[in-house]
Amino acid sequence: SQTIHQWPATLVQPVGSPLSLECTVEGTSNPNLYWYRQAAGRGLQLLFYSVGIGQISSEVPQNLSASRPQDRQFILSSKKLLLSDSGFYLCAWSEQVYTEAFFGQGTRLTVV
Amino acid sequence: GNSVTQMEGPVTLSEEAFLTINCTYTATGYPSLFWYVQYPGEGLQLLLKATKADDKGSNKGFEATYRKETTSFHLEKGSVQVSDSAVYFCALLVSGNTPLVFGKGTRLSVIA
Repeated sequence: SQTIHQWPATLVQPVGSPLSLECTVEGTSNPNLYWYRQAAGRGLQLLFYSVGIGQISSEVPQNLSASRPQDRQFILSSKKLLLSDSGFYLCAWSEQVYTEAFFGQGTRLTVV
Repeated sequence: GNSVTQMEGPVTLSEEAFLTINCTYTATGYPSLFWYVQYPGEGLQLLLKATKADDKGSNKGFEATYRKETTSFHLEKGSVQVSDSAVYFCALLVSGNTPLVFGKGTRLSVIA
């Protein structure tokens, strides 16, 4: 069966520091991968999605970037964190772009 | 554009009460509809789905019917339990368009 791993579970970072969140999927090939952010009271916001290695679509201009160095690996990065980057970050995958997604356990990021 | 509107929470119910969480949508196309559940500190889990008009999705005692005429997908459960306390997200997906679009979520608290 397919599984998705996301880490770390929690992270506290100072303003201006870099960020790297990693997500990997097992048990499938060529998944579509997504990064969502959940800020308090604002629901889920799609940040990036990828349909293949090196292919990244950005949904919202951000202080963030994403990369997909391997088929089942998706990384969310920032060079300099802002206070507004705090939130709950969720990685997800799907078999095709236009089907339901399955989520990881999330990373709680607090920028201080 | 595509959007989902959910009733504002939080919703607080006593155990064994009837639950309805309203969800309406706007879509440029013929969407599939989903309900996801998020337990405290965790990622999202797919609860149920419906892919065409008049379909009823069901799981764990929860049900929702795809109503094209009212563009709605309300979530219902006849008798809630304390363990149902969570945040519920309604979502839609339109083929040929962007990935899942989520509502803002509705927090449900069930008290014994």
